Amino acid sequence: DIQMTQSPSTLSAYVGDRVTITCRASQSISTWLAWYQQKPGKAPTLLIYKASSLQSGVPSRFSGSGSGTEFTLTISSLQPDDSATYYCQQSNIIQRTFGQGTKVEIK
Amino acid sequence: EVQLVASGGGLVQPGGSLRLSCVASGFNVSRNYMSWVRQAPGKGLEWVSVIYSGDSTYYADSVKGRFTISRDTPKNTLYLQMNTLRAEDTAMYYCARDHIQWDAFDIWGLGTMVTVSA
Repeated sequence: DIQMTQSPSTLSAYVGDRVTITCRASQSISTWLAWYQQKPGKAPTLLIYKASSLQSGVPSRFSGSGSGTEFTLTISSLQPDDSATYYCQQSNIIQRTFGQGTKVEIK
Repeated sequence: EVQLVASGGGLVQPGGSLRLSCVASGFNVSRNYMSWVRQAPGKGLEWVSVIYSGDSTYYADSVKGRFTISRDTPKNTLYLQMNTLRAEDTAMYYCARDHIQWDAFDIWGLGTMVTVSA
């Protein structure tokens, strides 16, 4: 299996801050990486696919980058509605795996 | 409207069985890759199984040999048959469309809760 490791596990920031979440894969996954947002009691929603492609309807303050084993999700200007847990997920092999999640809190 | 609605969860004893259903609307499950993803209470997401448009199926090691994914084309429904359930299978189970080109879960159902307990 490919292990996905996110950092940090939790972050707290102010509205308007630039926020970056890192995801590392245990082996190269090219750009087969997606990012999801999950709010309490809700199903996840897709934010980014193929490492840097923004899903339709997702605000442009979200962006993704990276390839190989290191990836980042950036929120350019944090908004109150962005309080959630974020997950990365690899699809380089059939057995998809997710990172452990990063909880983003608003100060 | 494109949506997935999962059902069939509940309380079951260890060693028991349960079948989850996921009805799709707005697209055909038979022409898409469809997956089940689960989330134990307070934990992260875990991919469980996928069925491809050609009917190939794959499973996470944790459920291989116990769970079976399938679909009914006329009913446009995805299923997950879960046998020999264990306490560690307790989770919210989501069905999701695995976008063929993007290789990402672009549509998610609301989820159905499975609790395995004596």
